[in-house]
Amino acid sequence: DAKTTQPPSMDCAEGRAANLPCNHSTISGNEYVYWYRQIHSQGPQYIIHGLKNNETNEMASLIITEDRKSSTLILPHATLRDTAVYYCIVANNFNKFYFGSGTKLNVKP
Amino acid sequence: NAGVTQTPKFQVLKTGQSMTLQCAQDMNHEYMSWYRQDPGMGLRLIHYSVGAGITDQGEVPNGYNVSRSTTEDFPLRLLSAAPSQTSVYFCASSSSGGLIGELFFGEGSRLTVL
Repeated sequence: DAKTTQPPSMDCAEGRAANLPCNHSTISGNEYVYWYRQIHSQGPQYIIHGLKNNETNEMASLIITEDRKSSTLILPHATLRDTAVYYCIVANNFNKFYFGSGTKLNVKP
Repeated sequence: NAGVTQTPKFQVLKTGQSMTLQCAQDMNHEYMSWYRQDPGMGLRLIHYSVGAGITDQGEVPNGYNVSRSTTEDFPLRLLSAAPSQTSVYFCASSSSGGLIGELFFGEGSRLTVL
């Protein structure tokens, strides 16, 4: 069972930051927060992951609250190509890697 | 590197037929897994393998068999296809199964069972 809660959809203007929230109030101490995205019906693509510190890479930033019960994925300058379904997953191994329904991000011109 | 390669990309079966979805990776990854994705839904784990000769069940294993005779290949077998198995199937691999890394996905195999 997915242990995360995400809004079903969000809109974002092209060029603006997209902030995608995720609630994971039952996260365990050794579970990581992962973000993947799925463009059209392609295979999911890894974006970023973190344990408790904020993380940044070339694609996005991940902000995890101090109590680790929620997190936010930030795409700093959204483009039309970022339109996708974004999945937030909490797990400590891939055998329990459950995808929920995700958030459909619509980036609009 | 080709990454994770799935074949076939599309397949139509009749109820009761059997078939095998192929998955191969050229990254020497120990961990491999199969997911299915029904329309409008997220991915659900069918079976996984942490290395050659080792497989285990995921969330939705019924109706599917797997084997892992080599590191590179992880085929998924449908012994008697049912309409409920109409779905898109994704294979994934990682260099670290129990540990945390990155899952690499194939492009999917779209199966329709009539």
